[in-house]
Amino acid sequence: NAGVTQTPKFQVLKTGQSMTLQCAQDMNHNSMYWYRQDPGMGLRLIYYSASEGTTDKGEVPNGYNVSRLNKREFSLRLESAAPSQTSVYFCASSGQGTLYEQYFGPGTRLTVT
Amino acid sequence: EDQVTQSPEALRLQEGESSSLNCSYTVSGLRGLFWYRQDPGKGPEFLFTLYSAGEEKEKERLKATLTKKESFLHITAPKPEDSATYLCAVQRSGFQKLVFGTGTRLLVSP
Repeated sequence: NAGVTQTPKFQVLKTGQSMTLQCAQDMNHNSMYWYRQDPGMGLRLIYYSASEGTTDKGEVPNGYNVSRLNKREFSLRLESAAPSQTSVYFCASSGQGTLYEQYFGPGTRLTVT
Repeated sequence: EDQVTQSPEALRLQEGESSSLNCSYTVSGLRGLFWYRQDPGKGPEFLFTLYSAGEEKEKERLKATLTKKESFLHITAPKPEDSATYLCAVQRSGFQKLVFGTGTRLLVSP
């Protein structure tokens, strides 16, 4: 049982390049989330997917797109990377009912030069 | 707007020296308050969920409590392995999103 996995672990991009961050969970959770974490800012929600086939914007969605590929997988795409997107990105998932605890992946450290 | 404020930003303790971390929150209708532990270079690890004022939960040397305005994470006789950043988050009723505080960095020295 791997929980939430993310690829890649590290990435360096040049301004204007694009990339997709991958996330998968094996806990049969319905909901999945993408956060970014910056020093002094805490975790901020970029996008989330309450269930397969739906996605919604979070607090900081500009410059990002997401795809809920199936129940297990939720990807985050940067179409044209900017230095302001240098951050650590975390994917999380949660179940239903009272089990709203979110479980996080190990993160992707992205640097945009 | 939902808000979470954690204090102190950083705390240094000697091994065995008990203390508390604070999480103050404002939310319109609390569904749950969550505590996470985050080690450097890793993702947050879930610790506790508290749902209503007066509730307490314990895990090893950690005890979390909840009032209508704040939550405390009490650390009893901490060990160096308790060193981490502790994050607090709230969830509003009817919403799935969590709002996180910026965390308390705890360092426990032997």
